[in-house]
Amino acid sequence: AQTVTQSQPEMSVQEAETVTLSCTYDTSESDYYLFWYKQPPSRQMILVIRQEAYKQQNATENRFSVNFQKAAKSFSLKISDSQLGDAAMYFCAYRRGGGGADGLTFGKGTHLIIQP
Amino acid sequence: SQTIHQWPATLVQPVGSPLSLECTVEGTSNPNLYWYRQAAGRGLQLLFYSVGIGQISSEVPQNLSASRPQDRQFILSSKKLLLSDSGFYLCAWNPPRGVGNTIYFGEGSWLTVV
Repeated sequence: AQTVTQSQPEMSVQEAETVTLSCTYDTSESDYYLFWYKQPPSRQMILVIRQEAYKQQNATENRFSVNFQKAAKSFSLKISDSQLGDAAMYFCAYRRGGGGADGLTFGKGTHLIIQP
Repeated sequence: SQTIHQWPATLVQPVGSPLSLECTVEGTSNPNLYWYRQAAGRGLQLLFYSVGIGQISSEVPQNLSASRPQDRQFILSSKKLLLSDSGFYLCAWNPPRGVGNTIYFGEGSWLTVV
């Protein structure tokens, strides 16, 4: 079974600085997708960024980027120029590829605090 | 564009009462649909998923059931709620052959069983 591990229950960063959230996963599949979701106090799960395992290039979405190390099964999220609105729980998630109906396997989350 | 809605947003129910949470997706057809639960201080757990009308797969045995009476409608139910059913419930969807296999979530429903 696939597992996703987020080893940082909580992280704190000063506004405008950069922070990196860690995630490791375990799978025997070769076709899969990795995601970071943000859950603000409203509790809605919002997609931050997506990475296809077959792509070597790291995904980037504005201030958010990932460091995808496939051999090490590591998938960290870097947030640059942190803003107060980035404060939230961040979940790393894995999904097997193949176009099936498999759901997401989530890590336990990292609570990100932005210090003004 | 595709949207997903679920309701009610908040629900307080006594132990032993029934439950019905509803979710609908707009702007797409034949989506895969999911119900997740997030208990206090814990991660998300997949409860049910559906690939089509009347097709329900359960990931964990529990006091809950799901139904899909229409293509874009997904319902989470219980005949008799338990205290342990309290939590935050999220409906989600993705296209059957979606780009990047991304799963998108609704706004969520808070259930408190008292």
